[in-house]
Amino acid sequence: AQTVTQSQPEMSVQEAETVTLSCTYDTSESDYYLFWYKQPPSRQMILVIRQEAYKQQNATENRFSVNFQKAAKSFSLKISDSQLGDAAMYFCASWGTYKYIFGTGTRLKVLA
Amino acid sequence: GAVVSQHPSWVICKSGTSVKIECRSLDFQATTMFWYRQFPKQSLMLMATSNEGSKATYEQGVEKDKFLINHASLTLSTLTVTSAHPEDSSFYICSAPRTSFPETQYFGPGTRLLVL
Repeated sequence: AQTVTQSQPEMSVQEAETVTLSCTYDTSESDYYLFWYKQPPSRQMILVIRQEAYKQQNATENRFSVNFQKAAKSFSLKISDSQLGDAAMYFCASWGTYKYIFGTGTRLKVLA
Repeated sequence: GAVVSQHPSWVICKSGTSVKIECRSLDFQATTMFWYRQFPKQSLMLMATSNEGSKATYEQGVEKDKFLINHASLTLSTLTVTSAHPEDSSFYICSAPRTSFPETQYFGPGTRLLVL
């Protein structure tokens, strides 16, 4: 069975600062993918970043990067130069056995 | 632009009635679509996998007769909440996989259902 755990219900960051959101997961799959999705107040799910488990190199997308620690089953998201538009719910998710398992989410507040 | 649409975006209905929610893939075909339910301030819970031309696969604990899924074509899946009750009030989201990367999904904008 797959599980995804986000232990931070809420985080705050000052505008232009850096914040890291934590995620741990567990899976019996050998081939899987990990994701961070953003859900703003509109509730439209937006893909932030994806990581193939077989790749050792951490994924990056502009201001967003991950720290993927496969042995520790950890997958944290780092947001650099935080912007007001980054305020949203962030969900960590794993994909295996052809379905997503989502974590409980972290609400990110960005302070001006 | 949106690649997966949902209709309606918001629906209010009386207890005991049935409500149909449509999920359409725009400009691409989806043999599989996924339906999620999201309660306020909670995560997305997978309800079922919709398969074009065959029966849907439901997650454990989801009532098949309550949440009817029909994948009528390669671009349309529908979720019908039958005999809706107030506890069915929720936010329903569908997704469809990107053709070359099935593990990466396009999500619909969601449908908010309120049962009075």
